[in-house]
Amino acid sequence: AQKVTQAQTEISVVEKEDVTLDCVYETRDTTYYLFWYKQPPSGELVFLIRRNSFDEQNEISGRYSWNFQKSTSSFNFTITASQVVDSAVYFCALSENSGNTPLVFGKGTRLSVIA
Amino acid sequence: ETGVTQSPTHLIKTRGQQVTLRCSSQSGHNTVSWYQQALGQGPQFIFQYYREEENGRGNFPPRFSGLQFPNYSSELNVNALELDDSALYLCASSRTTSGGYQETQYFGPGTRLLVL
Repeated sequence: AQKVTQAQTEISVVEKEDVTLDCVYETRDTTYYLFWYKQPPSGELVFLIRRNSFDEQNEISGRYSWNFQKSTSSFNFTITASQVVDSAVYFCALSENSGNTPLVFGKGTRLSVIA
Repeated sequence: ETGVTQSPTHLIKTRGQQVTLRCSSQSGHNTVSWYQQALGQGPQFIFQYYREEENGRGNFPPRFSGLQFPNYSSELNVNALELDDSALYLCASSRTTSGGYQETQYFGPGTRLLVL
């Protein structure tokens, strides 16, 4: 069965610090997709990244970077030089069967960035 | 913004009542998925609609039902409301290709339902 674990429930950092959000997943499928979404207080889930299981290259987008390691079933998310606007709940999610099954989410990590 | 809209934004109902939530998908998207997010939890999949038919369902009872219209918008109906139905209901739209491949899901702002 597929499962996503985000062990960090809450993290607080001071502005400009780097922070890494951990995500560990379980699946028996070989063709799957991993996602990160951001949920600000307004409630809307904002899509950040989608990565397929065959692409283990790390990705960087501005201050955001993602480290995908199949050997440890992890897909970690790092924010460099955090800002107050980064404060939100971040969810990691998994979709099997080449992304054609429903998203299975972790419980989320609440990030608070303090000025 | 994603272009996915939901209405209403907030709703208060009492136990036993029925509720209808609405979702308009992003332009170019033909698939709508509904998720329930309880406080402090990740979203849980309720069901998905594609080509006006249910295309997958999560572990939710039959009193949760839905519709998809020809313009790809969708409704979620919940009958006989229970206290545990209090949650944020999220709609996500995506495009399913002619080959059956589903692209990324984009979420709306959600409807917060409180059942008293």
